[in-house]
Amino acid sequence: KQEVTQIPAALSVPEGENLVLNCSFTDSAIYNLQWFRQDPGKGLTSLLLIQSSQREQTSGRLNASLDKSSGRSTLYIAASQPGDSATYLCAGRGSNDYKLSFGAGTTVTVRA
Amino acid sequence: NAGVTQTPKFRILKIGQSMTLQCTQDMNHNYMYWYRQDPGMGLKLIYYSVGAGITDKGEVPNGYNVSRSTTEDFPLRLELAAPSQTSVYFCASRIGTNYEQYFGPGTRLTVT
Repeated sequence: KQEVTQIPAALSVPEGENLVLNCSFTDSAIYNLQWFRQDPGKGLTSLLLIQSSQREQTSGRLNASLDKSSGRSTLYIAASQPGDSATYLCAGRGSNDYKLSFGAGTTVTVRA
Repeated sequence: NAGVTQTPKFRILKIGQSMTLQCTQDMNHNYMYWYRQDPGMGLKLIYYSVGAGITDKGEVPNGYNVSRSTTEDFPLRLELAAPSQTSVYFCASRIGTNYEQYFGPGTRLTVT
């Protein structure tokens, strides 16, 4: 069973600093990993999806990496802005699994 | 496209009452999912469907039922509501060839 952990639970940074968000998973036979953003009281918005054959994916200021051997994924957000304040969740899917296993999320506050 | 829509947005139930949470998607996605999110926790899968007429249990199905009579709709039924079912419920969908899941805005349910 895939277990997903996100540490820390909360993070506060000044505007302009680069953000590094960590995601750990227990099953290295991961099929893909997805990063989501959740604003307070809202649903989840997909940010990036990394397939097991990929090492990273990029979209604008966002870059996500996947290291299956160490069981880690990292989401980098360059030059953070107050609008980046949200909770970021990662979710992994095993190769023989029908579902996504979610981490509890990291709540980010970017101070102006 | 409206994407994934959910109704109602909020609901308060008394213990023992029943209700149906509605979920509709207009993207012709064959996979649909119901999750619950408790405070400070990741999402847990309740039920999922791989197409019309086919449903299966997720991690936490007890106290819930689903049906999938059309591709578009995937209602979640709560029978005999209990305080432990107080949560935020999210519906999601994806197409079979792409593992990226798209989420609705959620239904916040309180059982008192």
